[in-house]
Amino acid sequence: KAGVTQTPRYLIKTRGQQVTLSCSPISGHRSVSWYQQTPGQGLQFLFEYFSETQRNKGNFPGRFSGRQFSNSRSEMNVSTLELGDSALYLCASSSRDRSTDTQYFGPGTRLTVL
Amino acid sequence: GQQVMQIPQYQHVQEGEDFTTYCNSSTTLSNIQWYKQRPGGHPVFLIQLVKSGEVKKQKRLTFQFGEAKKNSSLHITATQTTDVGTYFCAGPSGANNLFFGTGTRLTVIP
Repeated sequence: KAGVTQTPRYLIKTRGQQVTLSCSPISGHRSVSWYQQTPGQGLQFLFEYFSETQRNKGNFPGRFSGRQFSNSRSEMNVSTLELGDSALYLCASSSRDRSTDTQYFGPGTRLTVL
Repeated sequence: GQQVMQIPQYQHVQEGEDFTTYCNSSTTLSNIQWYKQRPGGHPVFLIQLVKSGEVKKQKRLTFQFGEAKKNSSLHITATQTTDVGTYFCAGPSGANNLFFGTGTRLTVIP
């Protein structure tokens, strides 16, 4: 089975712009979670989607949003980018209905905001 | 809110020495997972512990889940340079969220 894929792998944006990141889970996985990883804050949970519904959301401002499509692919969007949004954005998929089961991570998208 | 702390935050060892990282949760966990992230890579699942007092081994790695299911440890015997990376523990937070610990970054000096 192919692993979790994320596109793009690297992205450079300027403050005020918006960005859309894409994640394709492992085939058959319906749960997709998004995480932000920074050196100072570690791995922080953004949100989780299952069957096109957001089931849980972390403590991030409304500038961070996401969605999931019927084929389980997911996108996350960050609007009005700030310097502090520079981070590695990871998505992970789970094989079962509960996202608290084993998470399979993608390679991440490294976002740099200038 | 839930907190999962890991200690130490950083650890430097000589190749061949042992290494242990500890994970402590403020709440009881139904299970705990361990992940490893190599430098420049992404977290990779290592193991999941479910039962109180459970001990599992993977070659040189030994994982333990505390009796109260609030703490866990990962012990590596005779570290190798391939063990370099950050080790995270993670526990369920609610039904649909996995809460990751702060991580322990291991450096192995050849």
